Amino acid sequence: DTEVTQTPKHLVMGMTNKKSLKCEQHMGHRAMYWYKQKAKKPPELMFVYSYEKLSINESVPSRFSPECPNSSLLNLHLHALQPEDSALYLCASSQEPTNYEQYFGPGTRLTVT
Amino acid sequence: GQNIDQPTEMTATEGAIVQINCTYQTSGFNGLFWYQQHAGEAPTFLSYNVLDGLEEKGRFSSFLSRSKGYSYLLLKELQMKDSASYLCAVKGGSYIPTFGRGTSLIVHP
Repeated sequence: DTEVTQTPKHLVMGMTNKKSLKCEQHMGHRAMYWYKQKAKKPPELMFVYSYEKLSINESVPSRFSPECPNSSLLNLHLHALQPEDSALYLCASSQEPTNYEQYFGPGTRLTVT
Repeated sequence: GQNIDQPTEMTATEGAIVQINCTYQTSGFNGLFWYQQHAGEAPTFLSYNVLDGLEEKGRFSSFLSRSKGYSYLLLKELQMKDSASYLCAVKGGSYIPTFGRGTSLIVHP
C-alpha cells in the first residue's frame, strides 16, 4: 500500500462551523505533514508530526488544530475559519522526517462561506 | 531563510526536450526534490538529488550542482500528459522541504 488517503474530498463550511479533515497512510511512515495550497501557488507547510509528536508549527492560527491519534492517522480540526482559509489542504507522509521523498494525498478542497 | 527560484511558465512541443531550471539559496542542504502536479491534483514525486550529478529515470532526468545552488529537470520525448506544474523543493538544514513557486509547462501538439 503506497497511498495516502484523505477525507473528505470536498468540504463547504460556514465560519461558525467545526469540521475535521482526516488523513491516513499505511506505509509505516513516521513523519506526516499538513500543507495548504492556494490556486497557482506552491504548497505552504502548516504542521509536521514526527513519530506522532508535533515537531513543527509554522505559525498557523489556532483556528487550525492538528492531531495525530496514532502513527497512521493525522487529523486537522477546523473551527471559526475565515473565507481566506479556502484552499486545497494536502496531507503528506515520508518514511522519516529527513532525506526522504514525501507522498501526498489527493487533498481536501475546502470552501469557507 | 531559503529562496528558491524557477521560471513561471514554459511551453514546448510534443516529442521535444525541455529543461526546467531551479536555483536556490539555503542555510544548509539536505536534498532537492522535483514534483509534478496536475491542476487540482496532489503533487507526485519525480526525483531526488543530494549529491552532484545527474539522476536518470526514464524520460525524466534531474541534475544537481550544490556549489552553484542549481538544479534542472530534463523531460525528453514530451507527451501532452506532461503538461503540468513542476515544483522544485529543497530541504535545508531543518530537513523540512521548501517549495518553489512551480513552473507551469504547456506542451503543444
